[in-house]
Amino acid sequence: DVKVTQSSRYLVKRTGEKVFLECVQDMDHENMFWYRQDPGLGLRLIYFSYDVKMKEKGDIPEGYSVSREKKERFSLILESASTNQTSMYLCASSRTLSSEAFFGQGTRLTVV
Amino acid sequence: TQLLEQSPQFLSIQEGENLTVYCNSSSVFSSLQWYRQEPGEGPVLLVTVVTGGEVKKLKRLTFQFGDARKDSSLHITAAQTGDTGLYLCAGEVNGNKLVFGAGTILRVKS
Repeated sequence: DVKVTQSSRYLVKRTGEKVFLECVQDMDHENMFWYRQDPGLGLRLIYFSYDVKMKEKGDIPEGYSVSREKKERFSLILESASTNQTSMYLCASSRTLSSEAFFGQGTRLTVV
Repeated sequence: TQLLEQSPQFLSIQEGENLTVYCNSSSVFSSLQWYRQEPGEGPVLLVTVVTGGEVKKLKRLTFQFGDARKDSSLHITAAQTGDTGLYLCAGEVNGNKLVFGAGTILRVKS
């Protein structure tokens, strides 16, 4: 069974903390994505990566960075968490940029 | 402004009723995908439509891609409580990354 696994289902962090969200896929996909999901706004793309060590900004990259040191792993970093980054974070991978996206179960992050 | 507009935003119906949700855009898409997301889970692909005017059926779900490839609809016949979830459409423009709509929240009551 193909899988995208996110390291945490729920996280509570304090304002100003550095936060790491980890994502691993076992499908040998070139492309990986980080989205945030907020009510009424749908999925908004934060960053994506089309190859190891390659990254591209999505629609809302401010306040975030990413790391892709290995093909199967894509990390999202919040350098200094703020309350407006409280959200559901979804990781996805796909064979091509626009083919079927396989999603992880999501990480619900609360910044207090 | 959403590139893909989904309507309605929220739909609450009784089991056994029929429903249609819509995904509209002013842009032309190479293909369009529909996903369902259940509470506490990530979205899962239901179908991809590629050809203008295409109709695809998945049991009680019927997906249609508009002739001009700017819009799509999802019709559910005799809804069941298991159909409850968030329905998302996502469009592809010339091999670029997907663009997602905001989704339609469907609640089917028993």
